[in-house]
Amino acid sequence: GQNIDQPTEMTATEGAIVQINCTYQTSGFNGLFWYQQHAGEAPTFLSYNVLDGLEEKGRFSSFLSRSKGYSYLLLKELQMKDSASYLCAVSGGNYQLIWGAGTKLIIKP
Amino acid sequence: GAVVSQHPSRVICKSGTSVKIECRSLDFQATTMFWYRQFPKQSLMLMATSNEGSKATYEQGVEKDKFLINHASLTLSTLTVTSAHPEDSSFYICSASFREPYEQYFGPGTRLTVT
Repeated sequence: GQNIDQPTEMTATEGAIVQINCTYQTSGFNGLFWYQQHAGEAPTFLSYNVLDGLEEKGRFSSFLSRSKGYSYLLLKELQMKDSASYLCAVSGGNYQLIWGAGTKLIIKP
Repeated sequence: GAVVSQHPSRVICKSGTSVKIECRSLDFQATTMFWYRQFPKQSLMLMATSNEGSKATYEQGVEKDKFLINHASLTLSTLTVTSAHPEDSSFYICSASFREPYEQYFGPGTRLTVT
């Protein structure tokens, strides 16, 4: 079957660094996406990885290991506005995304 | 770029009535559009995938006669919830994709409340 796992909830402190992990098992792989979703709003695109390695984009970085079926999203210099759910999604190659349940990130002052 | 609009943002309707939600890609032509629903504190649930000019592909368990999807053009898809019931109350979100790697761009969502 197809499965994406990520922690349900994480807590971190403002100004710190947090790493949100995602593991996946899918029948096909055309890339992995990370989205941010604030409460009551639609998801917004953060990053895309299709090759192994780290992609850095400002305070956010995303890492992929295809052989391990593993990705993480790294958030640096955390701000209160980073409190949101972070969704991991895998493209199986037919335009559709297979979604994880999301990780709710709580930032404390 | 890649802006998707959705209308209405909120709607309250009476049980038994139908509600239409529009999803538009404003600055691109969408190869494919997707409809999701999301209950509070739960993950996105894909309802259906639609390509312009062809019938939508519904996910297992989604009633196609209840959730009518029309993808009339490369920039417009509509979802009609027919004979709505209180259990249909949810957050409905559309998304669109148009280029490799086919990331999805989301509309702002429609919060439907059926009384």
